Amino acid sequence: KQEVTQIPAALSVPEGENLVLNCSFTDSAIYNLQWFRQDPGKGLTSLLLIQSSQREQTSGRLNASLDKSSGRSTLYIAASQPGDSATYLCAVSPGGATNKLIFGTGTLLAVQP
Amino acid sequence: ETGVTQSPTHLIKTRGQQVTLRCSSQSGHNTVSWYQQALGQGPQFIFQYYREEENGRGNFPPRFSGLQFPNYSSELNVNALELDDSALYLCASSFWTGGYTFGSGTRLTVV
Repeated sequence: KQEVTQIPAALSVPEGENLVLNCSFTDSAIYNLQWFRQDPGKGLTSLLLIQSSQREQTSGRLNASLDKSSGRSTLYIAASQPGDSATYLCAVSPGGATNKLIFGTGTLLAVQP
Repeated sequence: ETGVTQSPTHLIKTRGQQVTLRCSSQSGHNTVSWYQQALGQGPQFIFQYYREEENGRGNFPPRFSGLQFPNYSSELNVNALELDDSALYLCASSFWTGGYTFGSGTRLTVV
């Protein structure tokens, strides 16, 4: 059974700092991995999608890497801003007949001005 | 290109009642999935619809049911509501091989 773990559960950093969020998964047979952002009480905003054949994806100040063999992904946020404060969720799609997502419990990020 | 729209945004129901939540898929997406997110948890997969047929189901009882319509919009129905059904319900659409686009969710409170 696929399990997704995110570390740390919460993180507080001063504005301008670079930071890394970690995601690990137990079964390396994934179709893709997606990082989402969630503001309090809101839906999910997709940040980056990495297909299983890819190693990393970049969008602006965000960079996500994927190491399938070790069951790990990292989300790197450069030059953090108070507006980056949110919960960041990692999700893997195991592929197969159902293209579902299996989520971690998220990392709550607070960027202090 | 429109995103995923969910209605209503908030809902309060009494234990034992039935509820219907609605979702309009993003244009061009043929797959819709529903997720339940309890407070402080990651979303949990309820079920998925592809071409109007259920195409996978998570660990949820039969009182959770759904429909997908020809225009790819969808409904989630929950019968005999329980207090533990209180959660944020998220709809997500995708093209089969692509990533997901989520709606803003429906906050359901069962009292």
